[in-house]
Amino acid sequence: SQELEQSPQSLIVQEGKNLTINCTSSKTLYGLYWYKQKYGEGLIFLMMLQKGGEEKSHEKITAKLDEKKQQSSLHITASQPSHAGIYLCGALNYGGSQGNLIFGKGTKLSVKP
Amino acid sequence: DGGITQSPKYLFRKEGQNVTLSCEQNLNHDAMYWYRQDPGQGLRLIYYSQIVNDFQKGDIAEGYSVSREKKESFPLTVTSAQKNPTAFYLCASSIVGWEQFFGPGTRLTVL
Repeated sequence: SQELEQSPQSLIVQEGKNLTINCTSSKTLYGLYWYKQKYGEGLIFLMMLQKGGEEKSHEKITAKLDEKKQQSSLHITASQPSHAGIYLCGALNYGGSQGNLIFGKGTKLSVKP
Repeated sequence: DGGITQSPKYLFRKEGQNVTLSCEQNLNHDAMYWYRQDPGQGLRLIYYSQIVNDFQKGDIAEGYSVSREKKESFPLTVTSAQKNPTAFYLCASSIVGWEQFFGPGTRLTVL
């Protein structure tokens, strides 16, 4: 079965610093999703990547999918307190029916003002 | 406003009781999902449904049941057979194969 490993598990950065979160899959990724979650709340969709080498940006967040489609990174530039939360990567699970996602365990980001 | 709602936000249950968590969406999505989230864990799929009157077990379906009588609604029942039901439950919906949109979650605590 496919597994997603996220690193680091937690991260504390000073406001204004850049940071990167990684998501590594045990199998080829056919669709990779990044979500953000505030504690005790639902997940907010950030970006979806499908093609090897694809890169997408939204405001100060950039996500990339490597050419081999087994690793994705999420990069935040000039972090702000509003970026704090848990970031989860999810991937289409082709072991089951189309559309199901499996998730990594998440990376907890804290931003110190 | 289109969206997905879950109720209640907090739920307390005595051991041996069944409880039902509500999930409603007005996004006209065919697919709906239930996940469970435990501290330090990612989301684990309980049940999913891609069409009305049909649903499939996910990875941790034991002790749970669902129904999908309407496109907009996908309630989850946590039965007394679920050994460790205290968790945060998230409902999601999507166009099949596309990004999932999540509700705000229900935190269930067994007393």
